[in-house]
Amino acid sequence: NFMLTQPHSVSESPGKTVTISCTRSSGSIVTNYVQWYQQRPGSPPTTVIYKNSQRPSGVPDRFSGSIDSSSNSASLTISGLKTEDEADYYCQSYDTTNYWVFGGGTKLTVL
Amino acid sequence: QVQLVQSAAEVQKPGASVRVSCKTSGYTFSGYLIHWVRQAPGQGLEWMGIINPSGGSTNYAQKFQGRVTMTRDTPTTTVHLGLSSLTSDDTAVYYCARQSGPAHLDYWGRGTLVTVSS
Repeated sequence: NFMLTQPHSVSESPGKTVTISCTRSSGSIVTNYVQWYQQRPGSPPTTVIYKNSQRPSGVPDRFSGSIDSSSNSASLTISGLKTEDEADYYCQSYDTTNYWVFGGGTKLTVL
Repeated sequence: QVQLVQSAAEVQKPGASVRVSCKTSGYTFSGYLIHWVRQAPGQGLEWMGIINPSGGSTNYAQKFQGRVTMTRDTPTTTVHLGLSSLTSDDTAVYYCARQSGPAHLDYWGRGTLVTVSS
């Protein structure tokens, strides 16, 4: 099985851009899609990015996703930060046996 | 509209078992896989496994093998999560979520808090 490693926390000011990384421990990041979920306190997660870089309807284009085979990692970038973006963010992927994994989560503070 | 409505919070004693339900509606029950994900207090998301409502096949995370059971009841479009031999480490919010496409959880239940305490 593999692991997905995220930074524990990141912080940035409103209006700025922040990037959250997600590194896969084994197996290629390009083989299986990566998703990103946003979770606010007391609520279930919601999808902000799926299939590496796709945004569900209703998610602003300030949110973008990408993968980098050289570092075997995925990234979530949020531009034009708003205070409402403050939340926990989780990456998620799977392997060929349909074994799913979530990253440990990153707490985004917008200050 | 798609809905996943979960059963109410439970308190169980160590060593006991718990069953959490997830009533689905608003879509074709057999057409979408259902996952169970848990979140301990102040911790991250942990994938527990998946059930295919069409046929009932399952795939469990290795960590829970032997004490987790996922079942479905097609007439009521409900899926169930069973977890046995509970310890305090199993205290968590348990979520059911629907898979859309190859690997995207597009709808989630509100979660069921299971507290394990003597």
